[in-house]
Amino acid sequence: DAGVTQSPTHLIKTRGQQVTLRCSPKSGHDTVSWYQQALGQGPQFIFQYYEEEERQRGNFPDRFSGHQFPNYSSELNVNALLLGDSALYLCASSGPRREQYFGPGTRLTVT
Amino acid sequence: AQSVSQHNHHVILSEAASLELGCNYSYGGTVNLFWYVQYPGQHLQLLLKYFSGDPLVKGIKGFEAEFIKSKFSFNLRKPSVQWSDTAEYFCAVNAGSGGSYIPTFGRGTSLIVHP
Repeated sequence: DAGVTQSPTHLIKTRGQQVTLRCSPKSGHDTVSWYQQALGQGPQFIFQYYEEEERQRGNFPDRFSGHQFPNYSSELNVNALLLGDSALYLCASSGPRREQYFGPGTRLTVT
Repeated sequence: AQSVSQHNHHVILSEAASLELGCNYSYGGTVNLFWYVQYPGQHLQLLLKYFSGDPLVKGIKGFEAEFIKSKFSFNLRKPSVQWSDTAEYFCAVNAGSGGSYIPTFGRGTSLIVHP
């Protein structure tokens, strides 16, 4: 049983560019949440997708957007990248029991 | 809104020492509580969780945590640590029944165990 997978593993972008990160949930899970983890900090909730709609959102600007596909996979898009967007981006999936299973993350570096 | 405080940011122990990591939360309603662990180079893994019932929760790898409602605490313990316990530990809380189920994480405690 595959767990949560994310791609790419690492990414380097320049300020002002746009980036798309991808996540495939654990089998049987229908809810995907995205988190940003800055160095030395705990994960910060960005948003959650369920039934292809954004269900909840944390305190992140509109530059952060997402999408969920019919197969429950999800994308996180960040526009107009800032140096401060450099972080580890985590995807977590959950099912009926609401426990979140995390993927390995995508390390984004903005230069 | 809920918040989580982990008071120990860095802990250094020798093997076989006992461990206790503090976690306090602020939320007035029913809560679900979690401890996650992040080993070097690996992803976040659930160590243990509390939803209801016995406030003393047993997790994987010999870890346990005790929910003390009156103190708003959920401290993590292990009687004898091993070198392989070197990792980052995160406490998290979400609002329970009727709540958002979105966990709020503490900033983490870095544990280094010397062999």
